[in-house]
Amino acid sequence: QVQLVESGGGVVQPGRSLRLSCEASGFTFNSYGMHWVRQAPGKGLEWVAIIWYDGSNKYYADSVKGRFTISRDNSKNTLYLQMNSLRAEDTAVYYCARGLIREIDYWGQGTLVTVSS
Amino acid sequence: QSVLTQPPSVSAAPGQKVTISCSGSSSNIGNNDVSWYQQLPGTAPTLLIYENNKRPSGIPDRFSGSKSGTSATLGITGLQTGDEADYYCGTWDSSLSAWVFGGGTKLTVL
Repeated sequence: QVQLVESGGGVVQPGRSLRLSCEASGFTFNSYGMHWVRQAPGKGLEWVAIIWYDGSNKYYADSVKGRFTISRDNSKNTLYLQMNSLRAEDTAVYYCARGLIREIDYWGQGTLVTVSS
Repeated sequence: QSVLTQPPSVSAAPGQKVTISCSGSSSNIGNNDVSWYQQLPGTAPTLLIYENNKRPSGIPDRFSGSKSGTSATLGITGLQTGDEADYYCGTWDSSLSAWVFGGGTKLTVL
């Protein structure tokens, strides 16, 4: 079965960096696009970034453009999110999710990122 | 302010039917497929409806989806207390080159 397991969350000071990972299993990772979606405490879902199955295209939400970088290593079945210049408003549960343009079909359980001094 | 507009909350009694609307524009719902997600309290979202009206395996036919123009609707019949959750619509926005979600609708089964 499809499994997506995020890791790398934690407490970080404003202005610092953090890298999230998402290990995928149960499907052919290099055949699927992948997303990062976040959810601030008590708030709705906010899309963060998307990467094509081969890494050829990447798009970002305006709120993270220039600060976050999505990448993938298909040899390791792993998706990444490099987060730089973190702000308090980046505090959220970060989900990795499988999909491209037509739908997002599987979600991980999420990893909590807290940006606080 | 979400690109897709959903009502913040809906409610109905057990056994009844409820609909949740999702309004967008030609750059998103008007030209792309809509998905719906259910998020039970304290859990990750799960796919409920994809490609406007299709149900993944394991999703009961009490859940249905439809799309017309720049709006989409999720329908739930035979409401159960276990259906209490937040529901989100989502789709690709071709102008923004971004995936967009509705603000979410909290369903209460009275």
